[in-house]
Amino acid sequence: KNEVEQSPQNLTAQEGEFITINCSYSVGISALHWLQQHPGGGIVSLFMLSSGKKKHGRLIATINIQEKHSSLHITASHPRDSAVYICAVNRGSQGNLIFGKGTKLSVKP
Amino acid sequence: EAGVTQSPTHLIKTRGQQVTLRCSPISGHTSVYWYQQALGLGLQFLLWYDEGEERNRGNFPPRFSGRQFPNYSSELNVNALELEDSALYLCASSFRIQETQYFGPGTRLLVL
Repeated sequence: KNEVEQSPQNLTAQEGEFITINCSYSVGISALHWLQQHPGGGIVSLFMLSSGKKKHGRLIATINIQEKHSSLHITASHPRDSAVYICAVNRGSQGNLIFGKGTKLSVKP
Repeated sequence: EAGVTQSPTHLIKTRGQQVTLRCSPISGHTSVYWYQQALGLGLQFLLWYDEGEERNRGNFPPRFSGRQFPNYSSELNVNALELEDSALYLCASSFRIQETQYFGPGTRLLVL
């Protein structure tokens, strides 16, 4: 079993829909990251959080430490949001990231 | 401010050869991370350097090695290339441990 699990693996939405991507982890962590990877391969860090909730524009990330679960929400989705969204964690005191397999999101106009 | 840079962008090698990939972190960042993304697979952690020292390595054979220079740039070396080493190799840097990581554009390696 992977230490970081994401669901769903693939997600197709219509423009304007509210989207939720889930991430569960089975190890002790110091931080959780949400990353975005576009088709060209470039990766951008969206959020790093260790508790509570963060918001940036139409993106919201939440984490529940007790349940070892995080969600990434996209409000009013747009075709430009189409990308692979990756959940990653810092395990314990380590600086390197451990990754989930990613969620491929496609938003149709 | 320049982002993380990597060179070369693309590379084609044959099985058994050796390759060196290079990474320059964002100015002021002392931690450098190497990750592998094989086709159709998720990201896997390779190596982590901080202040010139190797701090952790992932589950990869010893033919994957690297180093970090005094200016915090880094090299990833892969010896005795195998077909399954074909992948996108990503370098990332952070100002401190367990902070936001900034990724470079990657080096695409094809082993024939």
